[in-house]
Amino acid sequence: QVLLVQSGPEVTKPGASVKVSCKASGQRFSTYYVHWVRQAPGQGLEWMARINPTSGDTHFAQKFQGRVTMTRDTSANTAYMQLSRLTFDDTAIYYCTTSSVRDWYYFDVWGQGTQVTVSS
Amino acid sequence: SYVLTQPPSVSVAPGNTARITCGGDNIGIKTVHWYRQRPGQAPVLVIYYDEDRPSGIPERFSGSNSGNTATLTITRVEAGDEADYYCQVWDSDTDPSYVFGTGTKFTVL
Repeated sequence: QVLLVQSGPEVTKPGASVKVSCKASGQRFSTYYVHWVRQAPGQGLEWMARINPTSGDTHFAQKFQGRVTMTRDTSANTAYMQLSRLTFDDTAIYYCTTSSVRDWYYFDVWGQGTQVTVSS
Repeated sequence: SYVLTQPPSVSVAPGNTARITCGGDNIGIKTVHWYRQRPGQAPVLVIYYDEDRPSGIPERFSGSNSGNTATLTITRVEAGDEADYYCQVWDSDTDPSYVFGTGTKFTVL
């Protein structure tokens, strides 16, 4: 089963961008999608977007269209999520998670989460 | 967008049975997945496709789905079951495509 390790916490200012990484190991990068899910303080889970690491195809929640950029480095088995034009409401823990490309309906493995804090 | 409604909190004494519901319009025709999130930790899949358990999840966890309600059942509740629980569905006709429930804080008395 894949293991996901995310980059460390970030503190950034309103209007700036943040880029979070998610390194996968233990299974071929081509066998699953990588998703990004966030959780604001004391709140529930919110799905943002997914990428097919093999093809690079992406799919976004409309709420994040235009503000989220997902990329991947297949040689490093790493996926990246960049969120731009940050506001205070973007303060959250950002999780990467995977779903099988053949069975994409649920999330089977999760990273440990990356705390992103937007503060002036 | 599609809405999944869960009770904010459920409490059960150790050894008893807990039921956490997830309400959605005609949710019975969708497949429901459940996650457990312990404080300070990432979510963990505990039930997928309404009733299947991933390896490592005890048989005490089960699920059902019919009509407008899906249910996660935990039998012989233990202190370690205390966590937030979220239901989730995928729907190609809604935005976002992946929808989580509002979450239930499960407390072992």
